[in-house]
Amino acid sequence: GQNIDQPTEMTATEGAIVQINCTYQTSGFNGLFWYQQHAGEAPTFLSYNVLDGLEEKGRFSSFLSRSKGYSYLLLKELQMKDSASYLCAVRDRGNNRLAFGKGNQVVVIP
Amino acid sequence: GAGVSQSPSNKVTEKGKDVELRCDPISGHTALYWYRQSLGQGLEFLIYFQGNSAPDKSGLPSDRFSAERTGGSVSTLTIQRTQQEDSAVYLCASSLALNQPQHFGDGTRLSIL
Repeated sequence: GQNIDQPTEMTATEGAIVQINCTYQTSGFNGLFWYQQHAGEAPTFLSYNVLDGLEEKGRFSSFLSRSKGYSYLLLKELQMKDSASYLCAVRDRGNNRLAFGKGNQVVVIP
Repeated sequence: GAGVSQSPSNKVTEKGKDVELRCDPISGHTALYWYRQSLGQGLEFLIYFQGNSAPDKSGLPSDRFSAERTGGSVSTLTIQRTQQEDSAVYLCASSLALNQPQHFGDGTRLSIL
């Protein structure tokens, strides 16, 4: 099975940088996804990591360390529209299912 | 359409009734997934379909839940004899293949009175 852990909420100032962490335990790691979910809306795909290291995509970057069972999502130059829940999801090699964490609620203030 | 389409967007029904939720995946996507999201909770996997393979039903919470995918496209999730604890947002997602990012619909908000 899989165990995904994310902190629940954080507040940050517009223009700042915020790092959202995710730790996981899985019997057969086969990729980690980050999704953004605004209140009342569907999750939207942000990034995918399957190898160790940093993936950069504009203002968002995601890092993975498979040996530590750890990933983070870095949001730079925060904008008000970045206020949302950020979900970490891990795929298990054995069954190809995605196991989601409960999400980290980021609140951006002026 | 361009994205995953789910209907209805909202459903209110009485305890004990059956409900049917529909999902139209993105055209050409071979994998289709159903999740449930309760208030303040993460997404709970229910079932996925991949091509013509037997679906993975291991996430269905009870035998009151079932799902079909006809013709490799549209899927319906059926909940029989609904209970109040079934109240949640039911999300459908599709992907080009199992190892590709999943794209979500806007969900069906189900409320059991």
